[in-house]
Amino acid sequence: QKEVEQNSGPLSVPEGAIASLNCTYSDRVSQSFFWYRQYSGKSPELIMSIYSNGDKEDGRFTAQLNKASQYVSLLIRDSQPSDSATYLCAVNTNQAGTALIFGKGTTLSVSS
Amino acid sequence: GAGVSQSPRYKVAKRGQDVALRCDPISGHVSLFWYQQALGQGPEFLTYFQNEAQLDKSGLPSDRFFAERPEGSVSTLKIQRTQQEDSAVYLCASSNQGLSSYEQYFGPGTRLTVT
Repeated sequence: QKEVEQNSGPLSVPEGAIASLNCTYSDRVSQSFFWYRQYSGKSPELIMSIYSNGDKEDGRFTAQLNKASQYVSLLIRDSQPSDSATYLCAVNTNQAGTALIFGKGTTLSVSS
Repeated sequence: GAGVSQSPRYKVAKRGQDVALRCDPISGHVSLFWYQQALGQGPEFLTYFQNEAQLDKSGLPSDRFFAERPEGSVSTLKIQRTQQEDSAVYLCASSNQGLSSYEQYFGPGTRLTVT
């Protein structure tokens, strides 16, 4: 059974702080990793993808991947109230057309 | 450019009715996926098309669920004899071929409520 685990939260951070979201996965053949943001009542929006060990930065977002530990994280710097949402971690194998396996998501609340 | 579109956005069905949900993927995207999302859960895979071929339907929960993509673009997910447990948001996603073929982009979803 392929599993993706996330702390459901809520994770509460003050405006301007760094938010750290974590995800672990069980299937060692997983090769592609994604973070989606989902606002309440909306559909998931892709914000980061990462395929290699290490860090990948895009604006205020940094994704970190450690395949040996089967761990992927998302850091949000200078958190804004507009970042308040549920963040979904998703993984799949490196085959086009493979279904994404999602975690249940972590709810982030950024207070002003 | 236009993203993935889905219709209807909301559907209320009485138990036992048949429903049809439509997905129009991003133009040129070869791969199309259907997912089901229950409240407070992550999306769960239902089925996958590459062009008009349904290559994986392992996630369809019962034989009441049927999907098609006859011309390799628009797809329809049909649920026959709806049950209350079918109430969920049905999400469609598409992806391209090539280097970014693993990235899936979601439509707005169809919220199905079975009463």
